[in-house]
Amino acid sequence: NAGVMQNPRHLVRRRGQEARLRCSPMKGHSHVYWYRQLPEEGLKFMVYLQKENIIDESGMPKERFSAEFPKEGPSILRIQQVVRGDSAAYFCASSQDAYEQYFGPGTRLTVT
Amino acid sequence: DQQVKQNSPSLSVQEGRISILNCDYTNSMFDYFLWYKKYPAEGPTFLISISSIKDKNEDGRFTVFLNKSAKHLSLHIVPSQPGDSAVYFCAASGETSGSRLTFGEGTQLTVNP
Repeated sequence: NAGVMQNPRHLVRRRGQEARLRCSPMKGHSHVYWYRQLPEEGLKFMVYLQKENIIDESGMPKERFSAEFPKEGPSILRIQQVVRGDSAAYFCASSQDAYEQYFGPGTRLTVT
Repeated sequence: DQQVKQNSPSLSVQEGRISILNCDYTNSMFDYFLWYKKYPAEGPTFLISISSIKDKNEDGRFTVFLNKSAKHLSLHIVPSQPGDSAVYFCAASGETSGSRLTFGEGTQLTVNP
């Protein structure tokens, strides 16, 4: 059973560009979560989705950030007009029962 | 407001000895707690969890203890091995937070051969 897949693993964007981060959950998992880890900090919750629904987006910045988990295909975290402060590791996790969450390897976003 | 705190940023132990990692929380609505291990440039790996209806859960070399009255949990690793060297995060979830996890800031464990 493949684990949580994230791509790309590394992403470099210039200020003002868009970043798209993809996450494929583990087989059989219908709950997807996105977390962000800024340098020297712990992981911070961003958003919780189930298929075609955003369940909890209380951790998402109000502007420039959006997330989706369509009926078909991976979950996408989209960051528009990136700024240097968006540079971080973005982790996706999936869960079968909304308890134990299993994490992907992360996408390291660098904004230059 | 740091609801989950790991006050020791680092811990160093000898191979074969016990490693004890500590975590405190402030939100009394948390009812499920997890420990993750993280290597550099990788995602966190789930280790062990405990529900608030228990005070101990054991899985091989890993045991988690929960003291609800003190709002404190700890992870014991016995015996410690050099491959255990990593950053350890505790995390919590509960009714008011839905299923999202609130993480501590991590403790870097180094196990010396």
